[in-house]
Amino acid sequence: QSALTQPASVSGSPGQSITISCTGTTNDVGGYKFVSWYQQHPGKAPQVMIYDVSRRPSGVSNRFSGSKSGNTASLTISGLQAEDEADYYCSSYTTRNTYVFGTGTKVTVL
Amino acid sequence: EVQLVESGGGLVQPGRSLRLSCVASGFTFDNYAVHWVRQAPGKGLEWVSSATWNSGTIGYADSVKGRFTISRDNARNSLYLQMNSLRAEDTAVYYCSKDTGRSGWWYMDVWGKGTTVTVSS
Repeated sequence: QSALTQPASVSGSPGQSITISCTGTTNDVGGYKFVSWYQQHPGKAPQVMIYDVSRRPSGVSNRFSGSKSGNTASLTISGLQAEDEADYYCSSYTTRNTYVFGTGTKVTVL
Repeated sequence: EVQLVESGGGLVQPGRSLRLSCVASGFTFDNYAVHWVRQAPGKGLEWVSSATWNSGTIGYADSVKGRFTISRDNARNSLYLQMNSLRAEDTAVYYCSKDTGRSGWWYMDVWGKGTTVTVSS
């Protein structure tokens, strides 16, 4: 169970758009629709931002969007705001009834 | 209010055991799969274990397989994690989370605040 690969950090200025990638294999990201993204502020529990690759839970801003191509999923944050500064993790269901998280990406708002 | 509250963390010596508990409220516990996820100090999230609504399907991370056991008591709205043969690398905040699926694992929509486990002599 190797962690999904994410960039360690991504930054942007307020109002800009940023994209975080999440690369796995055909056994996880590429093989299932169950890809989700979680936001975690320091000292807090994670919160789901995107599920089923591109769906947003109620209450999550439409500035957050998700997509997938092959074995790579992506999270895009549009109109970047100071409150978006946090750690972001992708996750996916995998074969053999297991689950895997990404390595995590620290988003910095400049 | 939908809520998950973990307990049972603490300082334990290497090789010893610890049992974590998670009590659910505000939703029908036996309608959903549940998970344990941990986060070592300064590190990322690591999936530990999951169980479907009736524990018919259970999964473990390779790092804990054979040492940790997940269980649930639907009558008590509770989830447990029995941790044996603890190692220093098991030191982490342990989160309990609820899935939106019942017989499968889709995504985690509710999380507890976590309980801290420190394995050290």
